Amino acid sequence: EAQVTQNPRYLITVTGKKLTVTCSQNMNHEYMSWYRQDPGLGLRQIYYSMNVEVTDKGDVPEGYKVSRKEKRNFPLILESPSPNQTSLYFCASSTPGQGYTEAFFGQGTRLTVV
Amino acid sequence: GENVEQHPSTLSVQEGDSAVIKCTYSDSASNYFPWYKQELGKRPQLIIDIRSNVGEKKDQRIAVTLNKTAKHFSLHITETQPEDSAVYFCAANHGSSNTGKLIFGQGTTLQVKP
Repeated sequence: EAQVTQNPRYLITVTGKKLTVTCSQNMNHEYMSWYRQDPGLGLRQIYYSMNVEVTDKGDVPEGYKVSRKEKRNFPLILESPSPNQTSLYFCASSTPGQGYTEAFFGQGTRLTVV
Repeated sequence: GENVEQHPSTLSVQEGDSAVIKCTYSDSASNYFPWYKQELGKRPQLIIDIRSNVGEKKDQRIAVTLNKTAKHFSLHITETQPEDSAVYFCAANHGSSNTGKLIFGQGTTLQVKP
């Protein structure tokens, strides 16, 4: 089954404690991205990756890191989480295909930073 | 930067009525406009999309219209049912870069009252 898998689904952590949210896709998609969803703000892109070892900042990259060492995996790293990073996070993948690109989303990770 | 504006933020209709959600985009090079539905606690999923060489597209009770000159597009849901209740996101691709990047609107919470 074609899918994007995120882990964990729920995470409560304390300020400053490094954490990683994993994302894996099995569709051989080149393009992967991370979004955060906050009420009234929609889906805002954090980072994206065009392919292995190619990453770039999205619209709200501050406080986040990513890596793309393998095509299927795109982890999101919070080196020193802060309460303003409490949010619902989604990973998505797609294949650019002339710009017509359906994004497939993971199940989401609800992060709470206290 | 490029953005997508979506209205209204909330919409409440009676079952059987029609619902319309409108979006405007700023990137004149955008050529792909998908709509995603997010049910409560679930991931966003594509429900319909339209490319810039088409003015309208229908799929059963849902339709999308595109006005490239005015840079706006709309989602129309007819004969609404309670299961249509969800958050709907419009999006536009970042057309000039062909990176696969999608820019999302802020979302519309649709409530269909039985």
